[in-house]
Amino acid sequence: DAGVTQSPTHLIKTRGQQVTLRCSPKSGHDTVSWYQQALGQGPQFIFQYYEEEERQRGNFPDRFSGHQFPNYSSELNVNALLLGDSALYLCASSKQGIPPYEQYFGPGTRLTVT
Amino acid sequence: GESVGLHLPTLSVQEGDNSIINCAYSNSASDYFIWYKQESGKGPQFIIDIRSNMDKRQGQRVTVLLNKTVKHLSLQIAATQPGDSAVYFCAEGGANFGNEKLTFGTGTRLTIIP
Repeated sequence: DAGVTQSPTHLIKTRGQQVTLRCSPKSGHDTVSWYQQALGQGPQFIFQYYEEEERQRGNFPDRFSGHQFPNYSSELNVNALLLGDSALYLCASSKQGIPPYEQYFGPGTRLTVT
Repeated sequence: GESVGLHLPTLSVQEGDNSIINCAYSNSASDYFIWYKQESGKGPQFIIDIRSNMDKRQGQRVTVLLNKTVKHLSLQIAATQPGDSAVYFCAEGGANFGNEKLTFGTGTRLTIIP
């Protein structure tokens, strides 16, 4: 049973560029959440997708957008990259309304903006 | 606003001893609390969770205690092993059965001394 997978593992971009990160949820899960984890900090919630719609959003600007596909996989897009966007981007999957309720995290994508 | 904090950023424990990691939360409406373990280069790994209608829950070598009166959460790890060395995060969520956004603290680094 594959867990949450993310690609790519590492990415280096230049300020002003755009980036797309990808996530495949754990088998049987239908909800995907994205988190940003700066070095030495806890993960910060970006947004959550369920039924191909953004259901919740954290305190992130519109430069951060996402998408969920019919197979429940998801993308995170960041436009006009800033140096401060350098972080580990984590994807977590879960199943709506069915216990256990824990969110399973992927290994993350390390984004470096230069 | 909502916040989840930790009392100590680092903790060193002798192998075989018990360790206790503490966490304070500020949102009295939070219904769901989770402890995650994050090893270097990996995403957070679910350890144990507890709902607000409980004050104690036990797992394998781990116990979570919840004190709603003082909004305090703790993780006890019994008979620590070298593999327990990691950063531990507490996180809180809303009442939507674990599919709310999670708010994380900054983490405590646990080091097991052989």
